[in-house]
Amino acid sequence: EVQLLESGGGLVQPGGSLRLSCAASGFTFSSYAMSWVRQAPGKGLEWVSAISGSGGSTYYADSVKGRFTISRDNSKNTLYLQMNSLRAEDTAVYYCAKSLAARSSADGMDVWGQGTTVTVSS
Amino acid sequence: DIQMTQSPSTLSASVGDRVTITCRASQSISSWLAWYQQKPGKAPKLLIYKASSLESGVPSRFSGSGSGTEFTLTISSLQPDDFATYYCQQYNSYPLTFGPGTKVDIK
Repeated sequence: EVQLLESGGGLVQPGGSLRLSCAASGFTFSSYAMSWVRQAPGKGLEWVSAISGSGGSTYYADSVKGRFTISRDNSKNTLYLQMNSLRAEDTAVYYCAKSLAARSSADGMDVWGQGTTVTVSS
Repeated sequence: DIQMTQSPSTLSASVGDRVTITCRASQSISSWLAWYQQKPGKAPKLLIYKASSLESGVPSRFSGSGSGTEFTLTISSLQPDDFATYYCQQYNSYPLTFGPGTKVDIK
């Protein structure tokens, strides 16, 4: 069964840092680009960042560029999101998601984790 | 960046109704469009990809159409399990962008 399991969310003060992880199973992890998508309370979906299967290409939304870093460890089948200089507006549920097609670039997302909650507040 | 809009923002309908949601892109995205369903407290679920391809396991009452800048999601006969929020998403280019969502609720 294809599965994604996020962890690492929590309460952090403004200006603080947090690292999210997403453990993948049931598919050839290194063949697929992966994304982080977030959803602020009561709001819609916002794509945050993506990384190619090899990890050689990364992409960011303007709202997080320079503060967040996406990475992956294909030997551990794990995706990461390092979040620095956190702001109140980063408060959201963060989902990791698998790209639809192998070796694709921009793509739809066919498998999603259950989400991990990040709250930025003093 | 490609902006996505959806209409309506809320739709009240009854079981058995035919429902249509429209999604528009600010520039041509060919057929690089996906539709998702999301229920409260749950992760989004892929319904349609490449504008009109039905994801495996999704009921055939869901269908998608369109290309270029205008797209539609149609539910042919609304079922109780279909009351949810629906999002479109373009994947023509980065940054990936979602529409603001359409909430389908009970009339």
